Formats: sequence, structure tokens, C-alpha cells
Amino acid sequence: TQLLEQSPQFLSIQEGENLTVYCNSSSVFSSLQWYRQEPGEGPVLLVTVVTGGEVKKLKRLTFQFGDARKDSSLHITAAQPGDTGLYLCAAFRDNYGQNFVFGPGTRLSVLP
Amino acid sequence: GAGVSQSPRYKVAKRGQDVALRCDPISGHVSLFWYQQALGQGPEFLTYFQNEAQLDKSGLPSDRFFAERPEGSVSTLKIQRTQQEDSAVYLCASSLDAGVEGYTFGSGTRLTVV
Repeated sequence: TQLLEQSPQFLSIQEGENLTVYCNSSSVFSSLQWYRQEPGEGPVLLVTVVTGGEVKKLKRLTFQFGDARKDSSLHITAAQPGDTGLYLCAAFRDNYGQNFVFGPGTRLSVLP
Repeated sequence: GAGVSQSPRYKVAKRGQDVALRCDPISGHVSLFWYQQALGQGPEFLTYFQNEAQLDKSGLPSDRFFAERPEGSVSTLKIQRTQQEDSAVYLCASSLDAGVEGYTFGSGTRLTVV
């Protein structure tokens, strides 16, 4: 059983469209991070959210942490081909040492 | 260095062969993680170091996997008697502190066992 679930698993859209991807869990997290990974590279940190209900914006990307700190969403406005990649959410599995776990990811393809 | 460096970038091993994967973290980074990423999946936690101490190795899949960080900087992940199911990308990440604000990942080592 995955600690973090992500949906959708795959998403293919046209340039200029908006999209939202989700990260869900039954566990409560002290913080949650979003990463983006391109083929052949390691994940790159996009944002860390800490406070329930928190909203953070990074250019065309908007991240929200659920009020109960169990879920998060990533919204991309006017997607561009450069946004293509694997979007991963990650969090500490509290009370299990420093085990930092990732979700399975959403693979986004933005077509020109 | 400017980033996390991993070597080799690619490794092909015959089944049963031992391999050693190296991670050179950002200078001064206290925390170091190893992850295994199968094709099309998210990274799976293997082990965690704080300086030279291995604080969590609960993710190592079998006793064929061994990791060390003897001087609190460079780390080596060793896999003995490799099996085909060990084929994956092995990622290393480091952080200045406990990583609450995120980690810096290397580009990974792609291991293929034939």
C-alpha cells in the first residue's frame, strides 16, 4: 500500500491548457514537497508546503496543502512543453525515523 | 561541489556480479539518502545517513545491499551478487540539515543486470 497516492497517473494535454494533479494520503504530514523529474535526471524540488491550507505560487504553478495536511494539489496554468515531466509529491513518514517517501508520480506530457 | 555527483552514470553487470555505486554529496551536507527508482515509478527509500551514522536502513531490500559513509561525506552503495530485479536507477540526495526544506538529488546511476 502506497503511503502517498497521486492522480492522474498519466496526463497528456495541449499547450495552453490548464491542469491539476493531486497527491492524497490517509496520513497527516508535518510538511509535503513537490518535485519535478525529467528523463535521465534526478528529481528537482519545486516547493515545500508546511501549514494546512497553505497556498504557494511559483510562476504558473500553484500548490495547495489541504487543511488537514493529508493531501495536496498542483495546478498549472497555460501549460507549456517545458512543463513536461514526472511530478512527484513526497513527505516524511513521521515516527519512522527519517524515511522520506515519494508518491508514484504523475507523468505529464504537454504537446505543442 | 556545486551539486550531488553520482558515478558511474551507467553500469551493466552480469547476474551474480558485485557492484559499487558512488555518491559525492554537496560539501557540508549532513543528511544523505539513497533511493531506488524502477522504470515508470517514484523513488523508493533505501537508507539514510546523518553524517557518518546510518540512522535508517529499513528500505534496503535484502542483505545483499549495503551502504556506508565512513567519513560523513562520500557514500557508497554496494550490491552483492546482483539479480535482474536489482535493475533500476539508484538516486542519491543530500541536504544541509534534516531535509525539511527539501533535498538536492544527483542524476542517478542506471544499473542494468543482464
